[in-house]
Amino acid sequence: QKEVEQNSGPLSVPEGAIASLNCTYSDRGSQSFFWYRQYSGKSPELIMFIYSNGDKEDGRFTAQLNKASQYVSLLIRDSQPSDSATYLCAAETSFLGNKLVFGAGTILRVKS
Amino acid sequence: ETGVTQSPTHLIKTRGQQVTLRCSSQSGHNTVSWYQQALGQGPQFIFQYYREEENGRGNFPPRFSGLQFPNYSSELNVNALELDDSALYLCASSSWQGYGYTFGSGTRLTVV
Repeated sequence: QKEVEQNSGPLSVPEGAIASLNCTYSDRGSQSFFWYRQYSGKSPELIMFIYSNGDKEDGRFTAQLNKASQYVSLLIRDSQPSDSATYLCAAETSFLGNKLVFGAGTILRVKS
Repeated sequence: ETGVTQSPTHLIKTRGQQVTLRCSSQSGHNTVSWYQQALGQGPQFIFQYYREEENGRGNFPPRFSGLQFPNYSSELNVNALELDDSALYLCASSSWQGYGYTFGSGTRLTVV
């Protein structure tokens, strides 16, 4: 079973702080990784994807990938109350078809 | 560029009934995947369609079936509905190479 693990949280941070979300995956064959944000009752919205080891920055968001450790993270700088949501980590795998394997998500709460 | 559209948005069915959910893929995308998201969990892969053929299937019983049409739109059919089928059903379209799974707004299915 190919798995993606996330801490369910909730992770609470004050407004303006850095939120750090982490994810581990079991399929060493996975090459691409995605972070989605999901508001309650809504569908997932892609924030970033990463496929090379190291960091990738986009505005307030930085994704980090370490394939040797099978670890992916998402940093959110200057967290805002509007960032409060569930963050889903997903690994793309070609096992049984090209698909995304999702973690259960981490609930982030940004307190003003 | 049009996004992924799903219909209906909400649906209530009785146990034992059958349901059909529909999805129109994003312009330029030829691959459609279906996911089931139960409350408090990450999306689970049901199956994927590419060029009107099933291209991979997750751990779902045969009463979950699908179709893809020449215009790349897709249907998900669920027969003999069970209470545990209550979930948010998400359709995601992508190009064959991946890199950018765009999710529709989902269909909330409630089985009573």
